[in-house]
Amino acid sequence: DTAVSQTPKYLVTQMGNDKSIKCEQNLGHDTMYWYKQDSKKFLKIMFSYNNKELIINETVPNRFSPKSPDKAHLNLHINSLELGDSAVYFCASSQRIVVAGDTDTQYFGPGTRLTVL
Amino acid sequence: AQTVTQSQPEMSVQEAETVTLSCTYDTSESNYYLFWYKQPPSRQMILVIRQEAYKQQNATENRFSVNFQKAAKSFSLKISDSQLGDTAMYFCAFMNSFSIYNQGGKLIFGQGTELSVKP
Repeated sequence: DTAVSQTPKYLVTQMGNDKSIKCEQNLGHDTMYWYKQDSKKFLKIMFSYNNKELIINETVPNRFSPKSPDKAHLNLHINSLELGDSAVYFCASSQRIVVAGDTDTQYFGPGTRLTVL
Repeated sequence: AQTVTQSQPEMSVQEAETVTLSCTYDTSESNYYLFWYKQPPSRQMILVIRQEAYKQQNATENRFSVNFQKAAKSFSLKISDSQLGDTAMYFCAFMNSFSIYNQGGKLIFGQGTELSVKP
């Protein structure tokens, strides 16, 4: 009964390939996120979706395309993988409280370690 | 733009002792949230504690407490009676409160502090 799950946990692939990482949450949350943790362990947001609508899109190359088929799922597809894409990718979810001045805690998945050779 | 700074890359503490991790942040907003997350070797990101900026009282969760100084933009984490299982990377994070005028919901992380608890 994992709250936020990601598959796969490890992904090793060659440069130039296309790969996807899947994320699912069973918390009933309406907002989901992708974060990237680099080799120095620095975490930075990439995308956020609220009820399947893209609301945050940081400066991320077009090769990265998030897709949210429903509010419980947020997948990350990466085209033409490059060496610099090697990182740990975390999915997170929260319940967006649509009242100005409020927010809620984000719960993270276990992360997917992507290695591009 | 908001920034979060953790000036201690590494710290160590003896088991059962107390340790304080520092965090400062920069923002022009008046309403926001601050968090401490823990990342043990398992890689899982675990929420330790959270603080709402509008609350004057410092948050406490069992052995974990914060010292929130809004004017100084400081948010330190105190771990009392340190245990071996507290060994982890600790991240301080900032989040704007949600509004249509900003990207509320975006967690901005510090660089992290690697804490080692020694037996």
